[in-house]
Amino acid sequence: AQSVTQPDIHITVSEGASLELRCNYSYGATPYLFWYVQSPGQGLQLLLKYFSGDTLVQGIKGFEAEFKRSQSSFNLRKPSVHWSDAAEYFCAVGRLGEGKLIFGQGTELSVKP
Amino acid sequence: NAGVTQTPKFRVLKTGQSMTLLCAQDMNHEYMYWYRQDPGMGLRLIHYSVGEGTTAKGEVPDGYNVSRLKKQNFLLGLESAAPSQTSVYFCASSYPPGLAYAEYFGPGTRLTVT
Repeated sequence: AQSVTQPDIHITVSEGASLELRCNYSYGATPYLFWYVQSPGQGLQLLLKYFSGDTLVQGIKGFEAEFKRSQSSFNLRKPSVHWSDAAEYFCAVGRLGEGKLIFGQGTELSVKP
Repeated sequence: NAGVTQTPKFRVLKTGQSMTLLCAQDMNHEYMYWYRQDPGMGLRLIHYSVGEGTTAKGEVPDGYNVSRLKKQNFLLGLESAAPSQTSVYFCASSYPPGLAYAEYFGPGTRLTVT
């Protein structure tokens, strides 16, 4: 079955600390991989996406993610977190040739001053 | 360029009432989607469309109907609302996969069914 798992429901980090949000997927074909961010009361904004090629992708707001096929993972990272990064983050996977995405349950990020 | 817009932003319905949510996009995207978001469950696909005049079922289609009469609009209907349909509904649109594919989301509609 196709699925996306974000093991951490809630993470708290201190401002200026590094961040890694985990995402694991189960998919029977070559996946498209995405990370979205959702601020409270807002829609989802695309942070970055991976289709093929270089397994380290850069996104907006200083985020990056690394695709590891052997581990079925697509973890999101940021070297130094800002208070404005507090939000909910969703990992999603799509199939090559199809239009719909499967989302993980989300990870809520809190940032301590 | 407004992107993806949704109407209304908020709505309260009584059980058994009907309503239609409107999604509009001005990016000339072929694909459009309706998702619902519930706490702890991420986003789940209700219905989607791969072009004008087409619709298909997603993961949780029961109790909903959709129509895509115009390329830029995707309507989600609730014929007889139930409390289980209390949720936040998001519309999204995209180019087909392989054409700079990514889904662009609207701001959401918060629906409460009492």
